[in-house]
Amino acid sequence: EVQLVESGGDLIEPGGSLKLSCTASGFTFSTFTMGWVRQAPGKGLEWVSDINNSGGNTYYADSVKGRFAISRDNSKNKLYLQMNNLRAEDTAVYYCAKAKSGGSSYDYWGQGTLVTVSS
Amino acid sequence: DIQMTQSPSSLSASVGDRVTITCRASPDISDYLAWYQQKPGKVPKLLIYSASTLQSGVPSRFSGSGSGTYFTLAISNLQPEDVATYYCQNYNRAPLTFGGGTKVEIK
Repeated sequence: EVQLVESGGDLIEPGGSLKLSCTASGFTFSTFTMGWVRQAPGKGLEWVSDINNSGGNTYYADSVKGRFAISRDNSKNKLYLQMNNLRAEDTAVYYCAKAKSGGSSYDYWGQGTLVTVSS
Repeated sequence: DIQMTQSPSSLSASVGDRVTITCRASPDISDYLAWYQQKPGKVPKLLIYSASTLQSGVPSRFSGSGSGTYFTLAISNLQPEDVATYYCQNYNRAPLTFGGGTKVEIK
Protein backbone atom coordinates (compact mmCIF):
# COMPACT_ATOMS: atom_id res chain seq x y z
CA GLU A 1 0.00 0.00 0.00
CA VAL A 2 1.38 3.40 -0.99
CA GLN A 3 1.83 5.73 1.98
CA LEU A 4 3.11 9.29 2.11
CA VAL A 5 3.58 10.87 5.52
CA GLU A 6 4.52 14.52 5.81
CA SER A 7 6.11 16.12 8.85
CA GLY A 8 7.75 19.37 9.86
CA GLY A 9 4.84 21.78 9.73
CA ASP A 10 4.85 24.42 12.46
CA LEU A 11 4.05 27.99 13.46
CA ILE A 12 6.89 30.18 12.23
CA GLU A 13 7.49 33.92 12.17
CA PRO A 14 7.72 35.83 8.88
CA GLY A 15 11.23 35.65 7.48
CA GLY A 16 11.89 32.33 9.15
CA SER A 17 12.83 28.95 7.69
CA LEU A 18 11.30 25.51 7.89
CA LYS A 19 12.06 22.12 6.35
CA LEU A 20 9.26 19.74 5.50
CA SER A 21 9.80 16.02 5.08
CA CYS A 22 7.75 13.32 3.40
CA THR A 23 8.43 9.66 4.08
CA ALA A 24 7.29 7.31 1.33
CA SER A 25 6.55 3.61 1.45
CA GLY A 26 4.79 0.94 -0.55
CA PHE A 27 6.39 1.72 -3.92
CA THR A 28 9.84 2.06 -5.50
CA PHE A 29 10.45 5.65 -4.49
CA SER A 30 13.50 6.15 -6.70
CA THR A 31 11.55 5.60 -9.92
CA PHE A 32 8.92 8.30 -9.57
CA THR A 33 8.69 12.07 -9.83
CA MET A 34 7.47 13.63 -6.59
CA GLY A 35 5.92 16.96 -5.82
CA TRP A 36 4.58 19.38 -3.25
CA VAL A 37 1.15 21.01 -3.50
CA ARG A 38 -0.25 23.46 -0.97
CA GLN A 39 -3.67 24.69 0.03
CA ALA A 40 -4.21 27.90 1.97
CA PRO A 41 -7.11 27.85 4.46
CA GLY A 42 -10.39 27.87 2.55
CA LYS A 43 -8.62 28.21 -0.80
CA GLY A 44 -7.86 26.04 -3.80
CA LEU A 45 -4.90 23.85 -4.65
CA GLU A 46 -1.60 25.49 -5.61
CA TRP A 47 1.24 23.51 -7.14
CA VAL A 48 4.54 24.35 -5.41
CA SER A 49 7.36 22.19 -6.75
CA ASP A 50 8.34 18.96 -8.51
CA ILE A 51 11.49 16.86 -8.60
CA ASN A 52 12.24 14.06 -11.03
CA ASN A 53 13.14 10.55 -9.92
CA SER A 54 16.91 11.11 -9.77
CA GLY A 55 16.68 14.56 -8.23
CA GLY A 56 18.49 16.06 -11.18
CA ASN A 57 15.58 18.21 -12.37
CA THR A 58 13.55 20.51 -10.16
CA TYR A 59 10.71 22.89 -10.92
CA TYR A 60 9.06 25.65 -8.91
CA ALA A 61 6.05 27.91 -8.88
CA ASP A 62 6.96 31.56 -9.43
CA SER A 63 5.57 32.35 -5.98
CA VAL A 64 8.28 30.28 -4.24
CA LYS A 65 11.17 30.37 -6.71
CA GLY A 66 14.36 31.48 -5.00
CA ARG A 67 12.94 30.86 -1.52
CA PHE A 68 12.03 27.15 -1.53
CA ALA A 69 14.19 24.17 -2.47
CA ILE A 70 12.94 20.66 -3.16
CA SER A 71 15.22 17.66 -2.71
CA ARG A 72 15.06 13.93 -2.18
CA ASP A 73 17.07 11.12 -0.64
CA ASN A 74 16.28 7.95 -2.55
CA SER A 75 18.29 5.85 -0.09
CA LYS A 76 15.92 6.92 2.69
CA ASN A 77 12.69 7.14 0.63
CA LYS A 78 12.33 10.77 1.68
CA LEU A 79 11.26 13.97 -0.04
CA TYR A 80 12.05 17.39 1.39
CA LEU A 81 11.00 21.00 1.00
CA GLN A 82 13.31 23.62 2.45
CA MET A 83 11.36 26.85 2.89
CA ASN A 84 13.25 30.09 3.54
CA ASN A 85 12.20 33.70 3.97
CA LEU A 86 8.65 32.60 4.76
CA ARG A 87 5.76 34.99 4.24
CA ALA A 88 2.24 35.14 5.61
CA GLU A 89 0.94 34.04 2.21
CA ASP A 90 2.87 30.77 2.53
CA THR A 91 0.46 29.71 5.27
CA ALA A 92 -1.13 26.51 4.02
CA VAL A 93 -1.43 22.77 4.33
CA TYR A 94 1.44 21.28 2.36
CA TYR A 95 0.81 17.97 0.62
CA CYS A 96 3.44 15.57 -0.63
CA ALA A 97 2.31 13.80 -3.79
CA LYS A 98 3.56 10.97 -5.99
CA ALA A 99 3.37 11.37 -9.75
CA LYS A 100 2.10 8.65 -12.02
CA SER A 101 4.68 7.08 -14.27
CA GLY A 102 4.95 8.94 -17.55
CA GLY A 103 3.61 12.23 -16.29
CA SER A 104 3.01 14.50 -13.37
CA SER A 105 -0.57 13.92 -12.51
CA TYR A 106 -0.52 12.89 -8.86
CA ASP A 107 -2.01 9.51 -8.03
CA TYR A 108 -1.19 9.43 -4.31
CA TRP A 109 -1.23 12.21 -1.74
CA GLY A 110 -0.17 12.46 1.87
CA GLN A 111 -2.44 13.79 4.59
CA GLY A 112 -0.65 17.12 4.63
CA THR A 113 1.25 19.17 7.19
CA LEU A 114 0.20 22.66 8.28
CA VAL A 115 2.59 25.58 8.00
CA THR A 116 1.47 28.79 9.66
CA VAL A 117 3.48 31.95 9.12
CA SER A 118 2.56 34.56 11.67
CA SER A 119 4.11 36.84 14.24
CA ASP B 1 2.95 30.35 -17.85
CA ILE B 2 -0.08 28.20 -18.61
CA GLN B 3 -3.38 29.58 -17.31
CA MET B 4 -6.18 27.21 -16.30
CA THR B 5 -9.69 28.64 -16.09
CA GLN B 6 -12.45 26.50 -14.61
CA SER B 7 -16.17 27.14 -14.78
CA PRO B 8 -18.53 27.35 -13.11
CA SER B 9 -17.03 28.08 -9.70
CA SER B 10 -19.97 26.32 -8.09
CA LEU B 11 -23.07 24.43 -9.10
CA SER B 12 -26.04 22.80 -7.47
CA ALA B 13 -27.80 19.82 -9.03
CA SER B 14 -30.20 17.06 -8.10
CA VAL B 15 -29.35 13.45 -7.44
CA GLY B 16 -29.38 11.61 -10.76
CA ASP B 17 -28.53 14.69 -12.84
CA ARG B 18 -25.67 14.94 -15.28
CA VAL B 19 -23.29 17.80 -14.54
CA THR B 20 -20.46 19.19 -16.61
CA ILE B 21 -17.45 21.22 -15.51
CA THR B 22 -15.21 22.95 -18.02
CA CYS B 23 -11.54 23.83 -17.91
CA ARG B 24 -9.83 26.05 -20.44
CA ALA B 25 -6.06 26.11 -20.87
CA SER B 26 -3.98 28.83 -22.41
CA PRO B 27 -1.90 28.00 -24.34
CA ASP B 28 -2.40 24.51 -25.72
CA ILE B 29 -1.52 21.65 -23.30
CA SER B 30 -2.33 18.72 -25.62
CA ASP B 31 -3.91 16.06 -23.36
CA TYR B 32 -1.75 16.71 -20.28
CA LEU B 33 -4.78 17.39 -18.14
CA ALA B 34 -5.86 15.79 -14.87
CA TRP B 35 -9.01 16.10 -12.80
CA TYR B 36 -9.10 15.76 -9.02
CA GLN B 37 -11.89 15.46 -6.50
CA GLN B 38 -11.52 16.89 -2.99
CA LYS B 39 -14.25 16.11 -0.51
CA PRO B 40 -14.65 18.43 2.49
CA GLY B 41 -11.80 17.92 4.95
CA LYS B 42 -10.16 15.26 2.78
CA VAL B 43 -7.12 14.85 0.61
CA PRO B 44 -7.43 15.39 -3.17
CA LYS B 45 -8.05 12.26 -5.20
CA LEU B 46 -7.05 11.71 -8.83
CA LEU B 47 -10.09 10.98 -11.00
CA ILE B 48 -8.88 11.33 -14.58
CA TYR B 49 -5.53 11.77 -16.30
CA SER B 50 -4.47 12.27 -19.89
CA ALA B 51 -7.71 14.26 -20.22
CA SER B 52 -9.92 11.20 -20.57
CA THR B 53 -8.40 8.15 -18.84
CA LEU B 54 -10.22 7.05 -15.73
CA GLN B 55 -7.97 6.35 -12.76
CA SER B 56 -8.28 2.84 -11.37
CA GLY B 57 -11.14 2.48 -8.90
CA VAL B 58 -13.01 5.62 -9.98
CA PRO B 59 -16.70 5.04 -10.77
CA SER B 60 -17.58 5.01 -14.46
CA ARG B 61 -20.11 7.83 -14.01
CA PHE B 62 -17.09 10.14 -14.16
CA SER B 63 -15.74 10.92 -17.62
CA GLY B 64 -13.35 13.39 -19.14
CA SER B 65 -12.91 14.73 -22.64
CA GLY B 66 -11.08 17.37 -24.62
CA SER B 67 -7.63 18.27 -25.81
CA GLY B 68 -5.59 21.33 -26.54
CA THR B 69 -7.32 24.20 -24.78
CA TYR B 70 -10.79 22.95 -23.88
CA PHE B 71 -11.62 20.13 -21.47
CA THR B 72 -14.69 18.86 -19.66
CA LEU B 73 -15.39 16.66 -16.67
CA ALA B 74 -18.82 15.09 -16.67
CA ILE B 75 -20.55 13.35 -13.81
CA SER B 76 -23.55 11.34 -14.92
CA ASN B 77 -26.17 10.17 -12.41
CA LEU B 78 -24.92 12.53 -9.67
CA GLN B 79 -24.76 10.88 -6.25
CA PRO B 80 -24.70 12.41 -2.74
CA GLU B 81 -21.13 11.16 -2.28
CA ASP B 82 -20.05 13.30 -5.25
CA VAL B 83 -20.38 16.47 -3.17
CA ALA B 84 -16.88 17.89 -3.43
CA THR B 85 -14.70 20.48 -5.08
CA TYR B 86 -13.23 19.45 -8.42
CA TYR B 87 -9.96 20.76 -9.83
CA CYS B 88 -8.31 20.49 -13.20
CA GLN B 89 -4.52 20.54 -13.49
CA ASN B 90 -2.13 21.15 -16.35
CA TYR B 91 0.90 18.89 -16.33
CA ASN B 92 2.21 19.65 -19.79
CA ARG B 93 5.03 21.76 -18.39
CA ALA B 94 5.90 23.68 -15.26
CA PRO B 95 4.33 25.50 -13.55
CA LEU B 96 1.80 22.68 -13.17
CA THR B 97 -1.13 24.99 -12.57
CA PHE B 98 -4.46 24.01 -11.09
CA GLY B 99 -7.78 25.51 -12.03
CA GLY B 100 -9.62 27.52 -9.40
CA GLY B 101 -11.98 24.69 -8.52
CA THR B 102 -15.68 23.93 -8.94
CA LYS B 103 -17.76 23.23 -5.86
CA VAL B 104 -20.53 20.70 -6.52
CA GLU B 105 -23.52 20.57 -4.19
CA ILE B 106 -26.76 18.63 -4.10
CA LYS B 107 -30.08 20.54 -4.36
